[in-house]
Amino acid sequence: GPKVLQIPSHQIIDMGQMVTLNCDPVSNHLYFYWYKQILGQQMEFLVNFYNGKVMEKSKLFKDQFSVERPDGSYFTLKIQPTALEDSAVYFCASSLLGSAETLYFGSGTRLTVL
Amino acid sequence: QQKVQQSPESLIVPEGGMASLNCTSSDRNVDYFWWYRQHSGKSPKMLMSIFSNGEKEEGRFTVHLNKASLHTSLHIRDSQPSDSALYLCAASGTGGYKVVFGSGTRLLVSP
Repeated sequence: GPKVLQIPSHQIIDMGQMVTLNCDPVSNHLYFYWYKQILGQQMEFLVNFYNGKVMEKSKLFKDQFSVERPDGSYFTLKIQPTALEDSAVYFCASSLLGSAETLYFGSGTRLTVL
Repeated sequence: QQKVQQSPESLIVPEGGMASLNCTSSDRNVDYFWWYRQHSGKSPKMLMSIFSNGEKEEGRFTVHLNKASLHTSLHIRDSQPSDSALYLCAASGTGGYKVVFGSGTRLLVSP
């Protein structure tokens, strides 16, 4: 099936540092999402992105978070500065035409903030 | 704020048994429901979707949807140990952009 790639699979950083999580969505998909999952439980919506713009974001998408997809390259989630509570698995997802379509998830990036 | 509630939190069924999982949305604008399955350490994968009132069956899996009550259920018959996973219900609405997930039901099928 369609593949979403996420790089890196694991990242360990010190609190206060910047981190960038990378996602290569399915090639013809137009909508991109980031979700946060702690301890293998609830998948919490962070943000979605279409046509170069954030369409909707949750309260978890703090001011320290930003997303972009410069020139059709990786869809990135940047956290600057990081905090201890940012430790989680971050999943990228993409869909063809929006929220009425199936989401395809990457394998996740496990972020540990020390 | 849109919420998706799932029950039970966890469920143990014997191999060959029936597992029944529930999901309700609190947002009347929801039109679309999905069930995703996430094995431990893996990413969620869509199992079934349902957008209209009624029932849909695919192999051992059946989903029901009641749009009036915004309730969907997933039933797994002849459960197998490989069905052991976290089952996530997801919902979205027309005109919205986000897909909201419930907290999941952790299913364990005991051999």
